[in-house]
Amino acid sequence: DTEVTQTPKHLVMGMTNKKSLKCEQHMGHRAMYWYKQKAKKPPELMFVYSYEKLSINESVPSRFSPECPNSSLLNLHLHALQPEDSALYLCASSQEWEGPYNSPLHFGNGTRLTVT
Amino acid sequence: AQSVTQLGSHVSVSEGALVLLRCNYSSSVPPYLFWYVQYPNQGLQLLLKYTTGATLVKGINGFEAEFKKSETSFHLTKPSAHMSDAAEYFCAVSSSNTGNQFYFGTGTSLTVIP
Repeated sequence: DTEVTQTPKHLVMGMTNKKSLKCEQHMGHRAMYWYKQKAKKPPELMFVYSYEKLSINESVPSRFSPECPNSSLLNLHLHALQPEDSALYLCASSQEWEGPYNSPLHFGNGTRLTVT
Repeated sequence: AQSVTQLGSHVSVSEGALVLLRCNYSSSVPPYLFWYVQYPNQGLQLLLKYTTGATLVKGINGFEAEFKKSETSFHLTKPSAHMSDAAEYFCAVSSSNTGNQFYFGTGTSLTVIP
């Protein structure tokens, strides 16, 4: 069982809908990440939160809005998405005290998003 | 800048044969290297990592990788393939000057033939 929990597992939404993806970890990790993954491709970094502050935004369109309510929770709010946004959205976490660069990522199983 | 190249987007091996998945990296500073495995409809799972110390790293499920600085390589091996090893494998690199950035290779899809 993964230690990073993502809900929902599957989501179908129309282009005018507003929905949210949720991620939770209880490993005491202080860095949390959102990745987008298309089929047969590597994960693409979207956002990083470090100690609950947004530290990296990879020029993601504003229709994706991240939120980190506390050190265990990470949300991704979705609004007015396009069909090309259909993908697997992965949440990950890592420790910070070892140094972010050598602490491995722990991934959830993702949310499979389909935009119709 | 850091980058990773995985040679061979698809690798097929017979059950019981050696598994060799190739990863070459580029880094201007000492790298930290990772191999992840992704099974269908799942997230990525860490197989092993190299940060400092011993250059031969042992991971889960019988996999190991050797860090070779002179060849800028971090190839993943397993002596005997099992059907359950069929999955997508990603090599990743980070370093002290990349912060929370991990650079992933394009992935290698491993097929195990019975």
